[in-house]
Amino acid sequence: EAGVVQSPRYKIIEKKQPVAFWCNPISGHNTLYWYLQNLGQGPELLIRYENEEAVDDSQLPKDRFSAERLKGVDSTLKIQPAELGDSAVYLCASSLWRGLNNEQFFGPGTRLTVL
Amino acid sequence: LAKTTQPISMDSYEGQEVNITCSHNNIATNDYITWYQQFPSQGPRFIIQGYKTKVTNEVASLFIPADRKSSTLSLPRVSLSDTAVYYCLVGDESRGGGGADGLTFGKGTHLIIQP
Repeated sequence: EAGVVQSPRYKIIEKKQPVAFWCNPISGHNTLYWYLQNLGQGPELLIRYENEEAVDDSQLPKDRFSAERLKGVDSTLKIQPAELGDSAVYLCASSLWRGLNNEQFFGPGTRLTVL
Repeated sequence: LAKTTQPISMDSYEGQEVNITCSHNNIATNDYITWYQQFPSQGPRFIIQGYKTKVTNEVASLFIPADRKSSTLSLPRVSLSDTAVYYCLVGDESRGGGGADGLTFGKGTHLIIQP
């Protein structure tokens, strides 16, 4: 069974440029998560989707970050414009349903470097 | 908010049993305790989850005392490949659905296994 797929794996851009990350969750998983992970820190939740609905986006900086999950399957996270402080690893995860007692399956992440 | 506290780092040797303790004094009645493992350049991976007493799987054991204010992840006979960051999470489905509380990873415990 394929795991969570993310692309690209690495991205280097200059500040003020836009960038987008793509995630394809495990087939049949209704819940999709986007996390940000800074060096030496644990993942921090940005947004969670239940099917195509964003049910928790309180941690998403909405002035520059946006996300969508059309048709409740794959998802895109966008940053526009990127800032130096956005350099981090962006992780996507999925689970059958919401809730901590449902195992989350993580993708390998996209490492973003903003110059 | 069920905040967790873990040691920042631990060292051990191959073949030893390693115990990582997580404190969660404000754990709620419905909260589960979940541990994830993360290797460099990879997303976290589910290890084990429990509610009370003891849970064991092919990878680890989780010990939870009666008051549930702490939990201990036990890794039997560790090898070099167990070097990773281990995260303790506490939360439940309702909080996971209503907010980001149950999805807080914290800084984790950096376990280093030496030959």
